[in-house]
Amino acid sequence: EPEVTQTPSHQVTQMGQEVILRCVPISNHLYFYWYRQILGQKVEFLVSFYNNEISEKSEIFDDQFSVERPDGSNFTLKIRSTKLEDSAMYFCASSEYSRRAYEQYFGPGTRLTVT
Amino acid sequence: DAKTTQPTSMDCAEGRAANLPCNHSTISGNEYVYWYRQIHSQGPQYIIHGLKNNETNEMASLIITEDRKSSTLILPHATLRDTAVYYCIVSIHTDKLIFGTGTRLQVFP
Repeated sequence: EPEVTQTPSHQVTQMGQEVILRCVPISNHLYFYWYRQILGQKVEFLVSFYNNEISEKSEIFDDQFSVERPDGSNFTLKIRSTKLEDSAMYFCASSEYSRRAYEQYFGPGTRLTVT
Repeated sequence: DAKTTQPTSMDCAEGRAANLPCNHSTISGNEYVYWYRQIHSQGPQYIIHGLKNNETNEMASLIITEDRKSSTLILPHATLRDTAVYYCIVSIHTDKLIFGTGTRLQVFP
């Protein structure tokens, strides 16, 4: 069964550094998402992306965050200058169609630790 | 989106049915009930969804009351691998999933 993959599984960085989290969505999917989960808290929507544009973003997704599909297979989340409070699990998801939340397939996540 | 209320935690014996309730008394006519689960900090996994009718798939059954104000997710024969946090989400068809705190289901031998 096709699956979403994410790298790295764990990233440790110092405060103020830039990080790029990488995701490979399922190959025929056209809609891409990032969510995050701070330890012990809820899974939170960050951003949705389609046709090389952000479709929707949450309040969390401020100017420090950006997303990109640099080639035909990768989807990345960049945090420009990390803060301690950015420490969380970051999940990428993809879907073939829009507005079908039940068809969102999630990756295993990247644990980001900011020290 | 309508708010949901779920018990914080539940236990279930392996092999028995796990019945996870969800209250969504303010649900609108065009809002669906979705169930997802998250196994130990992995990515959330879709289980099932429904609008009015009861639904069944290979993973679970979803029973929605006639007034649609509550629903129950049924795992017919729970296994240890079903230990997870289960999320009931009420929403129109959307791209943005809004997760609550869910029910932590512990399946014991």
